[in-house]
Amino acid sequence: DVKVTQSSRYLVKRTGEKVFLECVQDMDHENMFWYRQDPGLGLRLIYFSYDVKMKEKGDIPEGYSVSREKKERFSLILESASTNQTSMYLCASSLVREAFFGQGTRLTVV
Amino acid sequence: DQQVKQNSPSLSVQEGRISILNCDYTNSMFDYFLWYKKYPAEGPTFLISISSIKDKNEDGRFTVFLNKSAKHLSLHIVPSQPGDSAVYFCAANYFTGNQFYFGTGTSLTVIP
Repeated sequence: DVKVTQSSRYLVKRTGEKVFLECVQDMDHENMFWYRQDPGLGLRLIYFSYDVKMKEKGDIPEGYSVSREKKERFSLILESASTNQTSMYLCASSLVREAFFGQGTRLTVV
Repeated sequence: DQQVKQNSPSLSVQEGRISILNCDYTNSMFDYFLWYKKYPAEGPTFLISISSIKDKNEDGRFTVFLNKSAKHLSLHIVPSQPGDSAVYFCAANYFTGNQFYFGTGTSLTVIP
């Protein structure tokens, strides 16, 4: 079974804090993704990575950065958290045709 | 620009009846389509997929139909069960791309 693990289920952070969301996959997948899910907006792609140290912007990269130093780990960084970044964050990995998701991180910025 | 669209935000169905969830896409390069199911506070889980060389794929109570000429796919759940109540996302990708393109989701409620 593919396992994608996100470091936290729930996080509460203050406005202006730097926030790190970590994701680890155990299937040697090339591709990893960060999405956010908001009501009525579905899953929106923030960033993805197709190899170590490689990254591509998704649809909504503003306010975020990513890091992929090892194949199995993909980190999402909120440089200075704002209240409009309160959301459910979902990490996924894929080899080719199917994406496997982590359990999600519910981030609240106060 | 939303390349995968789910125009029904919600759907309610009686237990035992058929649930039909619809999805439309605009990009003719898409050649693989997936449905994911998501419960609150959990990540999406893969449900069923279909390649563009097929027009139907069945897995137990779940069947996905693809109409390439209309750029439309649908997920049929028969019979619907209360445990099927969740948000369903349609997704698409193409062979030379890395990305998955998701719809906005349809919230299915199965009434006991």
